[in-house]
Amino acid sequence: EIVLTQSPATLSVSPGERATLSCRAGQSVSSNLAWYQQKPGQAPRLLIYAASTRATGIPARFSGSGSGTEFTLTISSLQSEDFAVYYCQQYNNWPRTFGQGTKVEIK
Amino acid sequence: EVQLVESGGGLVQPGGSLRLSCAASGFTFSSYEMNWVRQAPGKGLEWVSYISSSGSTKNYADSVKGRFTISRDNAKNSLYLQMNSLRAEDTAFYYCASDHGGVIDYWGQGTLVTVSS
Repeated sequence: EIVLTQSPATLSVSPGERATLSCRAGQSVSSNLAWYQQKPGQAPRLLIYAASTRATGIPARFSGSGSGTEFTLTISSLQSEDFAVYYCQQYNNWPRTFGQGTKVEIK
Repeated sequence: EVQLVESGGGLVQPGGSLRLSCAASGFTFSSYEMNWVRQAPGKGLEWVSYISSSGSTKNYADSVKGRFTISRDNAKNSLYLQMNSLRAEDTAFYYCASDHGGVIDYWGQGTLVTVSS
């Protein structure tokens, strides 16, 4: 099983600032990595797939990068609606695995 | 608009069984791979099971293998999860989710399964 380790566990950011989230895989997943956003009481929403491709309707302030074992999700200028938990997920190997999540909170 | 609506959750005793359903609409269900993903209250996401568009290929997390069975009825645009020998650690919200080449692109709102005596 491929373990995904997200850091930090919690990120405190002021609105308008940049947020950088990390996801590290225990072995290479090539570019087969996705990012999801989850707000309280809601289902997750797909943000990024193939490490760097934005899903339909996702604002340009969200960007993904990386390949192999190191990945980054960047939110260029945090809006109030972006405070949430973010998960990475690999789909290179079975079983599909998720990271433990990074909570982005208001500073 | 893609819609995935889960049902069938509830309270069940340890060792009991439950069958979850997911009604799909707004897309060609028979062309899509599907998954079940769960989330224990206040915890992270855990992939549970996958089924190919035809139903011929199924995969399970080790934590549920031998106890849970995924199935689908493409004529009814429906996905199912039969859960047997339930344990306290199976308590979670269960999400039905569509799959596009491994990317879980659309999610239902979830149904809560509580395993407790």
